[in-house]
Amino acid sequence: DAGVTQSPTHLIKTRGQHVTLRCSPISGHKSVSWYQQVLGQGPQFIFQYYEKEERGRGNFPDRFSARQFPNYSSELNVNALLLGDSALYLCASSLGVPNPEAFFGQGTRLTVV
Amino acid sequence: AQSVTQPDIHITVSEGASLELRCNYSYGATPYLFWYVQSPGQGLQLLLKYFSGDTLVQGIKGFEAEFKRSQSSFNLRKPSVHWSDAAEYFCAVVISNFGNEKLTFGTGTRLTIIP
Repeated sequence: DAGVTQSPTHLIKTRGQHVTLRCSPISGHKSVSWYQQVLGQGPQFIFQYYEKEERGRGNFPDRFSARQFPNYSSELNVNALLLGDSALYLCASSLGVPNPEAFFGQGTRLTVV
Repeated sequence: AQSVTQPDIHITVSEGASLELRCNYSYGATPYLFWYVQSPGQGLQLLLKYFSGDTLVQGIKGFEAEFKRSQSSFNLRKPSVHWSDAAEYFCAVVISNFGNEKLTFGTGTRLTIIP
C-alpha cells in the first residue's frame, strides 16, 4: 500500500510569492494534518482536516490556509512568503479518533530566498 | 498549555549499549502517547504508541516504552542499539478535543552511536 505522498519534495520561492503544497493520504484515511518543522526543532501543528471540515488550527498567521478535497487529499497554501517560512512541511494522515495514529509523508522542503 | 519535554537534546551511546530517552508531558488527563524517529531530511516514522491498557508497549526495531502515570512520563528504551539507530527521536502527545488530533511534539533528542 502507498503511504502518505507529498509533492513537490523540494521548492525554492522568492519572498512575497505564493506556494501550494499537496498531500495524498493513505487509502481509507479521512483525516489529514499539516505540520511545519523548522531546522533543529520539533514539528509544529498548522491544520487538521477531517472529511473536508477543519478540525483544528495552530498558531499560524492567516497567510496560511488549507483545504481537503472529496478524495481526502489536501493542499496547504502560503501567501506572501517570508524568509521565516523556510522549513520542512509535513503532512500526516490518520483514520481519526478514536485511532489518532498519524502516518507522515516525506515532507516538502521549502526554501524562501 | 499542554507541553512535552524531552530533557536530553543530544545523547551519545556505544553500539551494543542500552538506551533510554526521556519524555514528560503536562496534562490533566492521560493523552495518546507516541514516539517517532526521523532521519536527516526525512519524514517521521512511528516507533510505538500508547492509547490505554498495558503500560509497557512494544514497537518496531526492538524499541519499547513505558507509560508511568504518576510521573507523567513515557520513556523510550532499547536494550542494545545498532549504528542504524542514529537519528532524531521525538516524543508526541494527542489530546483529542472534539475530534481535534493535534500532535504536540517535544523538541527532540538527537542520538549518536559510536563504534
